[in-house]
Amino acid sequence: AQSVSQHNHHVILSEAASLELGCNYSYGGTVNLFWYVQYPGQHLQLLLKYFSGDPLVKGIKGFEAEFIKSKFSFNLRKPSVQWSDTAEYFCAATLAGTYKYIFGTGTRLKVLA
Amino acid sequence: EPEVTQTPSHQVTQMGQEVILRCVPISNHLYFYWYRQILGQKVEFLVSFYNNEISEKSEIFDDQFSVERPDGSNFTLKIRSTKLEDSAMYFCASSDGGGPQETQYFGPGTRLLVL
Repeated sequence: AQSVSQHNHHVILSEAASLELGCNYSYGGTVNLFWYVQYPGQHLQLLLKYFSGDPLVKGIKGFEAEFIKSKFSFNLRKPSVQWSDTAEYFCAATLAGTYKYIFGTGTRLKVLA
Repeated sequence: EPEVTQTPSHQVTQMGQEVILRCVPISNHLYFYWYRQILGQKVEFLVSFYNNEISEKSEIFDDQFSVERPDGSNFTLKIRSTKLEDSAMYFCASSDGGGPQETQYFGPGTRLLVL
C-alpha cells in the first residue's frame, strides 16, 4: 500500500540551527507532495507543495523542500530556525486520480530560545 | 483570511450514541473532506464529497458513517452508533478545485471521546 514515512518523530534544536526533516514516500508513479505545519492550538497550514517542475520548492516562512525522485524523498529544510517554528510538521502525498492526502506520522519540532 | 471552522471543539459521548460533527468550509470551495487522527497515529482520510455526492471514501468509512451538506454552508459527519475506537480528532477540510494537486484547507478539528 502507498505510504508516507517521517522518520524523525521529535526534533529539538536551538535557535539559528539548520533544520532538515525527512519525508519518504512509497509509490512508483506520479505523486504530489505537501508539507503542512500545525502550530500549537492552530489548524494545519500549507507550507509548500510540489507536483512538477523545479524539484526545489520554496514555501512560506523561509522553508524549502527538495523532491528527489530517485530517493523517493521530499525533505523539508530551513537554514536558520526560530523559536516560533516550534510546531508539528506533516508530510503528505496524493496520487494521480485520487483526492485523498496520505499523511506521514508528523514530526514535533521544538526550538529552544 | 477565510478559514474552515468546526464545532464543537470537544465532544464526549457514550458508546452507542449518535454524534454529528459540524464544519463550515471556506465559502467558495466546492470539495469537502473528513480526516481523523487517533491519538498517536497518522492522520487518515475518511471521505471526500463533491456536488452532493461522496467522490471517494476509505475502508474506515463504513455504514456507521455518513456525510451531508444540509444547507449552503455546513458540512457534517455523522457517526450513527459510536464505538470506543471512534475516539479521535476529526478534521474537516475543503478545497477550491478537485484533484490530487489541490491544496486542502483544514479546520482546527473536533476531539471526540467515546466512553
